[in-house]
Amino acid sequence: QVQLQESGPGLVQPSQTLSLTCTVSGASLSSGDHYWSWIRQHPGKGLEWIGYIFGSGATSYNPSLQSRVAVSVDTSENQFSLELYSVTAADAAVYYCARGNAFLEWFLDYWGQGTLVTVSS
Amino acid sequence: EIVLTQSPATLSLSPGERATLSCKASQSVTHSLAWYQQKFGQAPRLLIYGASNRATGVPARFSGSGSGADFTLTISSLEPEDFAVYYCQQRSNWLTFGGGTQVEIK
Repeated sequence: QVQLQESGPGLVQPSQTLSLTCTVSGASLSSGDHYWSWIRQHPGKGLEWIGYIFGSGATSYNPSLQSRVAVSVDTSENQFSLELYSVTAADAAVYYCARGNAFLEWFLDYWGQGTLVTVSS
Repeated sequence: EIVLTQSPATLSLSPGERATLSCKASQSVTHSLAWYQQKFGQAPRLLIYGASNRATGVPARFSGSGSGADFTLTISSLEPEDFAVYYCQQRSNWLTFGGGTQVEIK
């Protein structure tokens, strides 16, 4: 059974860097049949794609966030990570990691439970 | 960026009724569209991919249709567990989500 679990600080100070890690079990990040994505959801709002990465390291980012986001992968630990720089209150949200699956036309079939990040001094 | 517009924002129905949810894209996404269900406090769950293919374990009462820029999710007969928020998502150009439709109990 594939499982994804987000971890990281729940509180980040304004202008600092938000760093989250997603640990994957039941699937290998090295597989070329999947990509590994970050999505966020502002309180009471809809879903916003942040970016994704393949096990090879190839990335794609939301153009609106591209200048201050980086996604990386550690295949040896079966983890991938998100860094969002220079955060403001507008970055407070629930952050999800999820898997895109080539066999499902690259749509997102497994999601983590989400982690709430607050931005405050 | 492809914008997805979902309607209605809220759908008030009773169990057993048919639900019809719309998702319109600002430009053609061919059939590269999915539907997700999200219950309060939970992560989204993939229901439909490729516009009309049910994901594993999704009941047959859920069906998706459409292509190009106009898509529909139909729930043939609402069960109590179907009252939730539904999002469409395209992957034709980056990844974007619609604003969601809340299906609530009337």
